[in-house]
Amino acid sequence: DAKTTQPPSMDCAEGRAANLPCNHSTISGNEYVYWYRQIHSQGPQYIIHGLKNNETNEMASLIITEDRKSSTLILPHATLRDTAVYYCIEGRYNNNDMRFGAGTRLTVKP
Amino acid sequence: DAGVTQSPTHLIKTRGQQVTLRCSPISGHKSVSWYQQVLGQGPQFIFQYYEKEERGRGNFPDRFSARQFPNYSSELNVNALLLGDSALYLCASSLRHQNTPLHFGNGTRLTVT
Repeated sequence: DAKTTQPPSMDCAEGRAANLPCNHSTISGNEYVYWYRQIHSQGPQYIIHGLKNNETNEMASLIITEDRKSSTLILPHATLRDTAVYYCIEGRYNNNDMRFGAGTRLTVKP
Repeated sequence: DAGVTQSPTHLIKTRGQQVTLRCSPISGHKSVSWYQQVLGQGPQFIFQYYEKEERGRGNFPDRFSARQFPNYSSELNVNALLLGDSALYLCASSLRHQNTPLHFGNGTRLTVT
């Protein structure tokens, strides 16, 4: 079962930053936090992952709290195409059986 | 580079039948995982294979089986289909079997009537 907690839905205005929170209070010291998103009728798309430090790539930024119990995915300038379900996952150290929860449905509005 | 490819994209079967779904990983990826996604829910882990060996199994009945071939492609088999097996079946590949991102295909939509 998924061990992360995310709000079920969020709205964001087009062009503004979207900040998606996630609680992962049971994460172990050597487990990564992964973020994926799923646009309707497609497979999940990998966005970013991190262990302790904040991470940034061409898609998003990931801010992880110092105690590692929560993180925030930031889409700096949301577009209508960013409308999707976003999943936060605690990666397991010994294998890759990612446990998806219900995720956050982000709706970007014009 | 080609992403993860799955075939077929859609499939309709009747109860009691058997089905085989196929997956080709990204070139260079040695691990393949299978997920089931029922409408309105997140994907649920079924199997992970790495270097042709099963590395993990989710909470699914023995009617579900899989294998990985020397070229790292994979098949998922489901026997004695039930109506509840209707779902999107997703395949994902990764470089290694741990601590690496999964890259998903767009799935096979299975409908059991």
